[in-house]
Amino acid sequence: AQKVTQAQTEISVVEKEDVTLDCVYETRDTTYYLFWYKQPPSGELVFLIRRNSFDEQNEISGRYSWNFQKSTSSFNFTITASQVVDSAVYFCALELVGGSARQLTFGSGTQLTVLP
Amino acid sequence: DSGVTQTPKHLITATGQRVTLRCSPRSGDLSVYWYQQSLDQGLQFLIQYYNGEERAKGNILERFSAQQFPDLHSELNLSSLELGDSALYFCASSVRAGNTEAFFGQGTRLTVV
Repeated sequence: AQKVTQAQTEISVVEKEDVTLDCVYETRDTTYYLFWYKQPPSGELVFLIRRNSFDEQNEISGRYSWNFQKSTSSFNFTITASQVVDSAVYFCALELVGGSARQLTFGSGTQLTVLP
Repeated sequence: DSGVTQTPKHLITATGQRVTLRCSPRSGDLSVYWYQQSLDQGLQFLIQYYNGEERAKGNILERFSAQQFPDLHSELNLSSLELGDSALYFCASSVRAGNTEAFFGQGTRLTVV
């Protein structure tokens, strides 16, 4: 069975600091997708990124960047120059590839608080 | 706005009652998923439908059931409610049945008193 671990329960930073959210996953499959979702205080889940297990290139989108390392089964998320609006719970998730069924296995989330 | 609509946004009901949560997927999406988010269990997959057919089942209780209608909207029925069923219930949708990103609705917050 697969598992996603987000060891950081809560992180607090001051605005403009960089912050990295850790995600470690476990699966015996060689093909899978990794995701990050953001859950702001309003409660909705906002899709941030999907990454295929065969693509280990780091990705940057504005102030967001993701570091995928298959060797350590990690998919870490960095926010550069954090802003108060980045305050949210961030979830990492894993989906196995194949077949017509799918389900996301989520980590327990990291509560990020960005202080002004 | 993800394009996935869930109603109602909030629901308060008593133990033993039955409720129905509704989800309208994004236009063109054939697959619908239900997730439960609770303090003790976190985010858990309940069930998936694709074009009206059940495709995958997760940790869904026997007291819970779901269906997807011909117009592709979906309903999650929760019966014999217990205090522990209080949670945020999310619906998500995607174009295909797998290997694509799913977009989540804003959730229905269910409180059982």
